[in-house]
Amino acid sequence: GAGVSQSPSNKVTEKGKDVELRCDPISGHTALYWYRQSLGQGLEFLIYFQGNSAPDKSGLPSDRFSAERTGGSVSTLTIQRTQQEDSAVYLCASSFRGGGGYTFGSGTRLTVV
Amino acid sequence: DAKTTQPNSMESNEEEPVHLPCNHSTISGTDYIHWYRQLPSQGPEYVIHGLTSNVNNRMASLAIAEDRKSSTLILHRATLRDAAVYYCIHQMGMRFGAGTRLTVKP
Repeated sequence: GAGVSQSPSNKVTEKGKDVELRCDPISGHTALYWYRQSLGQGLEFLIYFQGNSAPDKSGLPSDRFSAERTGGSVSTLTIQRTQQEDSAVYLCASSFRGGGGYTFGSGTRLTVV
Repeated sequence: DAKTTQPNSMESNEEEPVHLPCNHSTISGTDYIHWYRQLPSQGPEYVIHGLTSNVNNRMASLAIAEDRKSSTLILHRATLRDAAVYYCIHQMGMRFGAGTRLTVKP
């Protein structure tokens, strides 16, 4: 597609359940970031993938959060045993390696009830 | 740490130029300066980026200080649709701060 696609756009889940959020970056983009944004707050870095290099996981808030990127393309962010404080918009961004602007997806709004 | 400093908020009148400042005193010599903006209820949108020379595109201009420790995003004629939170960040790390909330008055 022409842009970064994220799915689902909205997700309501019960506390304690696991969720998977998907990001389809722009074709050919080797760099991919995940962020989360709580209501009225700024963007919080979660994880960064660059090509085949080991990901930078330094922003993941707890071991309940994990992410993978298969084949250098699609990425999945998994949150296990969701808590109410996990409620936020989760944003994905991608770019070509070596610079250039990042294109953001529209995000997944996660609500944990 | 790739930290940038921006004013929390700024106001502008419609159709007037707006200069949004950013300090990035810890930037390395090879790190690009990026600007993004986030309109209400939307994901961030790329605005412009640069390394050393001033840059222009259809959205804005970026003026980079000679020592690269600061930069200024210039909107030549602000419109109501430019009201957003503007973020200045280092490309390496892509860590976002609180940004500058720009209000445009009609």
